[in-house]
Amino acid sequence: EVQLVESGGGLVHPGGSLRLSCAASGFTFSSYSMNWVRQAPGKGLEWVSYISRSSSTIYYADSVKGRFTISRDNAKNSLYLQLNSLRDEDTAVYYCARGAGVVAPDYWGQGTLVTVSS
Amino acid sequence: QSVLTQPPSASGTPGQRVTISCSGSSSNIGSNSVNWYQQLPGTAPKLLIYSNNQRPSGVPDRFSGSKSGTSPSLAISGLQSEDEADYYCAAWDDSLNGVVFGGGTKLTVL
Repeated sequence: EVQLVESGGGLVHPGGSLRLSCAASGFTFSSYSMNWVRQAPGKGLEWVSYISRSSSTIYYADSVKGRFTISRDNAKNSLYLQLNSLRDEDTAVYYCARGAGVVAPDYWGQGTLVTVSS
Repeated sequence: QSVLTQPPSASGTPGQRVTISCSGSSSNIGSNSVNWYQQLPGTAPKLLIYSNNQRPSGVPDRFSGSKSGTSPSLAISGLQSEDEADYYCAAWDDSLNGVVFGGGTKLTVL
């Protein structure tokens, strides 16, 4: 069974940093691209970032470019998202989601809540 | 403003058939496959339809997807109360180099 478990969310002040993790199991992690997608309270889904199987290709949404960094460790079956220079509008549930190349994701984790507030 | 356009709401009575539309452009839906997701209140999105019209195992055949040009749609037949949820369409966008989503459609079962 495919499982994606996010962690690392919490309350952070504007300008602060946070590192999210996603532990994958039930599939060959190194064979799949991965994404981070977020959902602000009461709002729709917003794609944040993509990383290819070998980390050779990385994309970001314009709203986070230069502030967020996606990475993965295939040996640890883990995906990461480093969030820097956080803003109020970054408050959201962050989901890791599995891809199969440059396509919309299939499996999603349960999400981790990031709250940016003073 | 979402890149893909969906109606904000839809409704139907139990047993009815409802259709949710989604529209995009040549850089996303026109050149890539579409996924549909169901999000029940307080839960993560769940894959409902992939590759325009394929159902993952475990998804009832009441749910079906189709795509014509840049206007895919999701149909739900034999509507049930547990179908009340938010539904999202999504596709890869070759110009933006990222996944684009519709704004979501809130389905109410009357």
